[in-house]
Amino acid sequence: DAEITQSPRHKITETGRQVTLACHQTWNHNNMFWYRQDLGHGLRLIHYSYGVHDTNKGEVSDGYSVSRSNTEDLPLTLESAASSQTSVYFCASSEETFSPLHFGNGTRLTVT
Amino acid sequence: GNSVTQMEGPVTLSEEAFLTINCTYTATGYPSLFWYVQYPGEGLQLLLKATKADDKGSNKGFEATYRKETTSFHLEKGSVQVSDSAVYFCALSERGSTLGRLYFGRGTQLTVWP
Repeated sequence: DAEITQSPRHKITETGRQVTLACHQTWNHNNMFWYRQDLGHGLRLIHYSYGVHDTNKGEVSDGYSVSRSNTEDLPLTLESAASSQTSVYFCASSEETFSPLHFGNGTRLTVT
Repeated sequence: GNSVTQMEGPVTLSEEAFLTINCTYTATGYPSLFWYVQYPGEGLQLLLKATKADDKGSNKGFEATYRKETTSFHLEKGSVQVSDSAVYFCALSERGSTLGRLYFGRGTQLTVWP
């Protein structure tokens, strides 16, 4: 079965370090998204991509970057981790415009 | 702009009680509306959707009707079960320049007691 996999499931890092969260989907979807989930804020969009070499900023993109070198992967990089980036991160993909999103199980990131 | 407002939680119910979770939205165009559910330790899953006014989405006993006149998409279930305990998110996706983006509400935690 097709799926979307995030790794690691849990990560603890120190302030100032670079961190990369992986997202891999086998749906062959063009659209991929990164969200962060925080209590009281719901899900907020960080970055998204509509295809290879396409990336776009979401509403909370500061301090994050993504790259899309193939269809399957959209890694999320925190250039210099900050305590405010402690959160649960979800990757999602969709087949086409307005199709429902398929979510990964999330990565819980703690920045100390 | 686009936004979704859903009722504050947590909501606590006894098994077989009636459930309503309110959701209203603001959109500049003609959105599609969704309810997603998140079980503990998992990602979000699509529960139901409606793509135009007066459509009713339904799944697993849950229903929601797209009401354009009141800009609402309230989630209902006639008889909840313990297994329905989860966080529920209302969301919209608008036809426009940011194709396929979802705007989420803050989520409503539902706990059902036996």
